[in-house]
Amino acid sequence: QVQLVESGGGLVKPGGSLRLSCAASGFRFSDYFMAWIRQPPGKGLEWVGYISGSGISTYYADSVQGRFTISRDNAKTSVYLQMHRLRADDTAFYYCARDLATADFDLWGQGALVTVSS
Amino acid sequence: QSVLTQPPSVSGTPGQRVIISCSGSSSNIGSNTVNWFQHLPGTAPKLLIYSNSQRPSGVPDRFSGSKSGTSASLAISGLQSEDEADYYCAGRDDSLNAVLFGGGTKLTVL
Repeated sequence: QVQLVESGGGLVKPGGSLRLSCAASGFRFSDYFMAWIRQPPGKGLEWVGYISGSGISTYYADSVQGRFTISRDNAKTSVYLQMHRLRADDTAFYYCARDLATADFDLWGQGALVTVSS
Repeated sequence: QSVLTQPPSVSGTPGQRVIISCSGSSSNIGSNTVNWFQHLPGTAPKLLIYSNSQRPSGVPDRFSGSKSGTSASLAISGLQSEDEADYYCAGRDDSLNAVLFGGGTKLTVL
């Protein structure tokens, strides 16, 4: 079954860290860029960043550059989002998504809620 | 404030045709393809249109996309109640070296 399943969301204090995981199945994982996209409560979608199929190249939104790191393990068909120095405005549903080529995210996970609050 | 500008809301009655616009600039829509996503509350977003006007398998032909210059549009014909959702345009921006989403448009079926 072709799917993405996120895990690792939860409540974290401002300044804390959290790692999200996204397990892929049903397709040749290493062939695809993978992206993270978030949606703060009541707001629109925001691209967080993506990683190339090999894992060599990563790109980030300015809002998370230097605080978030995307990595992948092609042997485990998983992609990760490591988040440091979390702020209240990082509170959001975080989705992992498969990127076909040019922001055409054709497969999405169900989302993981990250809440940053004291 | 999004660099890709969409109207916050549009509405229509069943059977009608509605159009959602997405306005950008030469560094994004003007030089890259546009994609459209449908997002229903509590579910994962769904790719509706890719490469400006292509429909993924399973997307009804009631949905169509177009692009001209630095603007793009999503048209929904034969409006149905289940089309009530948020719609987002998205694409790459060469100047920002980033992916942009529009602010989203809430479609209400009256």
